[in-house]
Amino acid sequence: SAVISQKPSRDICQRGTSLTIQCQVDSQVTMMFWYRQQPGQSLTLIATANQGSEATYESGFVIDKFPISRPNLTFSTLTVSNMSPEDSSIYLCSVHPDNTDTQYFGPGTRLTVL
Amino acid sequence: EDQVTQSPEALRLQEGESSSLNCSYTVSGLRGLFWYRQDPGKGPEFLFTLYSAGEEKEKERLKATLTKKESFLHITAPKPEDSATYLCAVRSNTGKLIFGQGTTLQVKP
Repeated sequence: SAVISQKPSRDICQRGTSLTIQCQVDSQVTMMFWYRQQPGQSLTLIATANQGSEATYESGFVIDKFPISRPNLTFSTLTVSNMSPEDSSIYLCSVHPDNTDTQYFGPGTRLTVL
Repeated sequence: EDQVTQSPEALRLQEGESSSLNCSYTVSGLRGLFWYRQDPGKGPEFLFTLYSAGEEKEKERLKATLTKKESFLHITAPKPEDSATYLCAVRSNTGKLIFGQGTTLQVKP
């Protein structure tokens, strides 16, 4: 398994500002993912962040809005830029350890944009 | 198009009243079906992985089964602490997890 921590756990931000979310894993993993979960909805994949390569974004998500860093095998950041109230969601970091088919999730960051 | 549909959306049970949650899927090349539990304000917690039709997995009061088109999560004699949202996801040939909308279970004492 993998133990994942995220910072901050929650934040309230003003429209037009940016927030960077950190994700730390207790073991080295190649594949990391960022998801969004809007209120009352299921999980939507934002991007895949593999160490050593550029993040791959899903349809509807762009790098200018959600820049991602992956400096090493245990850490990643997701920035939500120029925020609007529609960005209010839970943002989840997830990893797929190399030696398993299972994907594990962090506790999430609850973002509210006013 | 790969798709996952869960039913019902919400389920209310009395403590001890057994029931099942359904997850129907269409996917190009199933590379695993996953069940997660999510408590309010928390990230999904992994429960089971199933790979092939006929496979079953059990954990305490939960049992997951898989056919070629759907999976069931059976809950036997549930307790209030089983109250949560249960998410089903499939991994296709693309390697990505595709989630259903979830079933929110409430177990009343």
